[in-house]
Amino acid sequence: EDKVVQSPLSLVVHEGDTVTLNCSYEVTNFRSLLWYKQEKKAPTFLFMLTSSGIEKKSGRLSSILDKKELSSILNITATQTGDSAIYLCAVGNTGNQFYFGTGTSLTVIP
Amino acid sequence: EAGVAQSPRYKIIEKRQSVAFWCNPISGHATLYWYQQILGQGPKLLIQFQNNGVVDDSQLPKDRFSAERLKGVDSTLKIQPAKLEDSAVYLCASSLVEQYSGNTIYFGEGSWLTVV
Repeated sequence: EDKVVQSPLSLVVHEGDTVTLNCSYEVTNFRSLLWYKQEKKAPTFLFMLTSSGIEKKSGRLSSILDKKELSSILNITATQTGDSAIYLCAVGNTGNQFYFGTGTSLTVIP
Repeated sequence: EAGVAQSPRYKIIEKRQSVAFWCNPISGHATLYWYQQILGQGPKLLIQFQNNGVVDDSQLPKDRFSAERLKGVDSTLKIQPAKLEDSAVYLCASSLVEQYSGNTIYFGEGSWLTVV
């Protein structure tokens, strides 16, 4: 059965801290791994990682795909209160099907 | 580029009533998805369309849920009769498969359903 597991389920940090969110997967015919940020609305796209693009960076956020370990991490440095959200990991296969994890809830305290 | 459009944004109904949600995907996106997201959980796929054909509806509760995408563009998701446990956000998403790069899924704003 295809599945995506995220850890930790929730995290509380202080502003300025660095956090690392984890995503592991077992998905047949892997094509891409996606990270989304979800506040009190629909998920917004952050990164897509594929076999040809295993590392992405945007400002304070960065993500790495480890195809050997079937996992990915999302790093957020110098966290701000605006980073408080649920971070979702999704894996897409060659059939254009996407499997989501349950998300990591991040709370950044001022 | 216009995003995925959904309506209504919010709906409150009584149990056993019916409700319908509408979705218009990003132009040119052949694949359309309906996800159900219950508070505190990740999105769960209800149904996936490729053009107007169903690719996967294995997790759609077919005794009460139905979905269609007749002309391969817009889609509707219907629940009849609704149960209390159907209270959730119903997310429509679409995807464009790019042959040599990855595939990305884009979400609409969601339709928030409360069943009382």
